Amino acid sequence: GENVEQHPSTLSVQEGDSAVIKCTYSDSASNYFPWYKQELGKGPQLIIDIRSNVGEKKDQRIAVTLNKTAKHFSLHITETQPEDSAVYFCAASKGGFQKLVFGTGTRLLVSP
Amino acid sequence: GAVVSQHPSWVICKSGTSVKIECRSLDFQATTMFWYRQFPKQSLMLMATSNEGSKATYEQGVEKDKFLINHASLTLSTLTVTSAHPEDSSFYICSARNQGQGPAQGYTFGSGTRLTVV
Repeated sequence: GENVEQHPSTLSVQEGDSAVIKCTYSDSASNYFPWYKQELGKGPQLIIDIRSNVGEKKDQRIAVTLNKTAKHFSLHITETQPEDSAVYFCAASKGGFQKLVFGTGTRLLVSP
Repeated sequence: GAVVSQHPSWVICKSGTSVKIECRSLDFQATTMFWYRQFPKQSLMLMATSNEGSKATYEQGVEKDKFLINHASLTLSTLTVTSAHPEDSSFYICSARNQGQGPAQGYTFGSGTRLTVV
């Protein structure tokens, strides 16, 4: 089955710096790659997603890139702010009504 | 946008009792519901997938007789933890797929339920 690896497990940056989180997946049939932000005691919130027919997607300070050949995708956050501090999860799915397989999570800490 | 309401947000129960967690899709029909368990500082682990009107499909290692899932309607799915023990203490999260959504749509998550078994 699908396996998603995520790095780094923790990431500390200064406010205004950029943050990059990387994920690799194993199943070439996966075609949907969302990123979630989870704050303490809450459910995951979708922040951006990308499909396999697209190489890059951007939404204001957040961008995601996908390399299907290498089977990896990355989350880029620019101009980080303290409120960006949270745990971020990548995930992969074969689309449709297939299950999401989550990465191990990255704890991002943005210091003022 | 699509909203999934999950209740309760937290519950404390005595060992040996059962606890029911509900997830309701408020403005869409959830054909498929996923139930996850998350231990502290760990990722979300899929427990089971349920489709409205049919039996849930459990992931390997998840006891179907302990974690009862009911998805009797397109707007309600429940997870019952039977004969709960301290090791069942965890954060349980549901996620729904909208019947009316195409491949471009994602998954809507509930806010989670913190279960503590004492």
